[in-house]
Amino acid sequence: GESVGLHLPTLSVQEGDNSIINCAYSNSASDYFIWYKQESGKGPQFIIDIRSNMDKRQGQRVTVLLNKTVKHLSLQIAATQPGDSAVYFCAEKTQAGTALIFGKGTTLSVSS
Amino acid sequence: DVKVTQSSRYLVKRTGEKVFLECVQDMDHENMFWYRQDPGLGLRLIYFSYDVKMKEKGDIPEGYSVSREKKERFSLILESASTNQTSMYLCASSLRLGQFFGPGTRLTVL
Repeated sequence: GESVGLHLPTLSVQEGDNSIINCAYSNSASDYFIWYKQESGKGPQFIIDIRSNMDKRQGQRVTVLLNKTVKHLSLQIAATQPGDSAVYFCAEKTQAGTALIFGKGTTLSVSS
Repeated sequence: DVKVTQSSRYLVKRTGEKVFLECVQDMDHENMFWYRQDPGLGLRLIYFSYDVKMKEKGDIPEGYSVSREKKERFSLILESASTNQTSMYLCASSLRLGQFFGPGTRLTVL
């Protein structure tokens, strides 16, 4: 069925390390993907997105990689900071759909 | 920047009350969404709207209704609140692709 999931519910890293958060999706018709960051008590915040005609997209300290062959999406955060501590969600969308399908989230904890 | 606002950050209601959650966006977005977020279940879509007076059921519409009389405003209505509707409610809007979220309303039904 259509579902978006994350490999690990929690990830703990040291300040300054690089973090990699993974997401697997099952709908091969999905052509648009987003990563969101949600801090405690706040709504999800858009981080970065990628279309299916791309394999990689970079932002400020973040990179999203898309592997359509194995239906895998990852978010890489360089030089992780305590302010990066949050829950990270991936979401997918098909060309025909209006709504996003969300994964359950990975909680990133950064210790200094 | 897109701004999505929700009428209340915290709300406490009693079982059986009618509850209105309001959402307003200022970017002339066509699409608006209501989700609820619960521990271990992630974000679940309740209803969405792709135009004024248009609505579509999401994954869990039971116990909820919505109203979109103006493009910028999307209301979620709990006709008769129940304790299992205690949750974080998130509103979002979008033009075509990425959705932008409001801060959320934490609703407690006693």
